[in-house]
Amino acid sequence: DAKTTQPNSMESNEEEPVHLPCNHSTISGTDYIHWYRQLPSQGPEYVIHGLTSNVNNRMASLAIAEDRKSSTLILHRATLRDAAVYYCILNNAGNMLTFGGGTRLMVKP
Amino acid sequence: DAGVTQSPTHLIKTRGQQVTLRCSPKSGHDTVSWYQQALGQGPQFIFQYYEEEERQRGNFPDRFSGHQFPNYSSELNVNALLLGDSALYLCASSLAGTVGWGYTFGSGTRLTVV
Repeated sequence: DAKTTQPNSMESNEEEPVHLPCNHSTISGTDYIHWYRQLPSQGPEYVIHGLTSNVNNRMASLAIAEDRKSSTLILHRATLRDAAVYYCILNNAGNMLTFGGGTRLMVKP
Repeated sequence: DAGVTQSPTHLIKTRGQQVTLRCSPKSGHDTVSWYQQALGQGPQFIFQYYEEEERQRGNFPDRFSGHQFPNYSSELNVNALLLGDSALYLCASSLAGTVGWGYTFGSGTRLTVV
């Protein structure tokens, strides 16, 4: 799977929007962009995914650049419960997920 | 609806020993994957089981082996434990053919090798 690049950490204030960036310049045409997050002492959980168009669900929004070489996960109003490590993953085969180091999001009250 | 269940939650073993970790997949899922997560790092893929066979394997030595049972549950076995095997072991279940959004992870087994 192609490689992704994310900042090691980000900080946000509670109830403010958070934009988590991900670069994936070697993405192929069939790669889906997935976001998972891992809360402390838990396994990763699915957040959102997309292919070409922007996506919204109850947890977050995913904005995908027109050339698909980058994407941004948007949390519209960060809460303390959103403090986690966020992983951006490319996958097209339904097999293994290749996790990078992710972005550790810290939310300040 | 129970998600993925892993047991035990914590385990301490001595170097050279063998360990077996267990995973029950989410109801309706038929595929189980195992990941190793060292402290401060992202999970690393070990292998995936479907129809009781290992379908894909990551870069892990043969000391790591697994099994899937007819009820889709799975075991991860590690022989000749090394200190470096200390990690959180995660099990993820999915439905065959589901692309990357369909994975459900358990909370993991924390293995400490002393």
